[in-house]
Amino acid sequence: EAGVTQFPSHSVIEKGQTVTLRCDPISGHDNLYWYRRVMGKEIKFLLHFVKESKQDESGMPNNRFLAERTGGTYSTLKVQPAELEDSGVYFCASSFTRDNTDTQYFGPGTRLTVL
Amino acid sequence: AQSVTQPDIHITVSEGASLELRCNYSYGATPYLFWYVQSPGQGLQLLLKYFSGDTLVQGIKGFEAEFKRSQSSFNLRKPSVHWSDAAEYFCAVALYSSASKIIFGSGTRLSIRP
Repeated sequence: EAGVTQFPSHSVIEKGQTVTLRCDPISGHDNLYWYRRVMGKEIKFLLHFVKESKQDESGMPNNRFLAERTGGTYSTLKVQPAELEDSGVYFCASSFTRDNTDTQYFGPGTRLTVL
Repeated sequence: AQSVTQPDIHITVSEGASLELRCNYSYGATPYLFWYVQSPGQGLQLLLKYFSGDTLVQGIKGFEAEFKRSQSSFNLRKPSVHWSDAAEYFCAVALYSSASKIIFGSGTRLSIRP
């Protein structure tokens, strides 16, 4: 079974540009999460989808970040316009709602560098 | 404030030595507890989790963790480390269910001395 995949693995952009990150969850997983780790800080939660609906977006830093999950399968996270402080590693995770024992499985992350 | 604390930023142990990584949390109720590991160039891998029941949980790669309610701790242990255990280890909690957002500690980087 394929794990959570993320694309691209690395992205280097200039301040003011737009970047779109993609996450493909494990097949059949209805929960999808985005997290990020900026340099020297903890891994922080960004948002949580249940199927195509946003269940919790309390961690989204500002309106430059837009997450979508059309059709309840893969998700995209767009940063527009990117700022220097957006640099970091963006992780995606997915899980299957079962009986309160579901585990979040993480992807390898996308390393974003904003110059 | 609610938090997950890993007091050790970096630990170095000799190959074959025992290991204990510390983790404390400050939440009113017992949260769902996890240890994740990130090896160089890899994503986060779940080592083990505690939801309820036996307070000593076994994980993958020979790791175990013990939940101590009185100390609000969930320390990770391994009796004998291998060079391949060099990685960054994250203690984490989920407050309401295993599906709710995960709150991570700042991580402990483990180096192995040959």
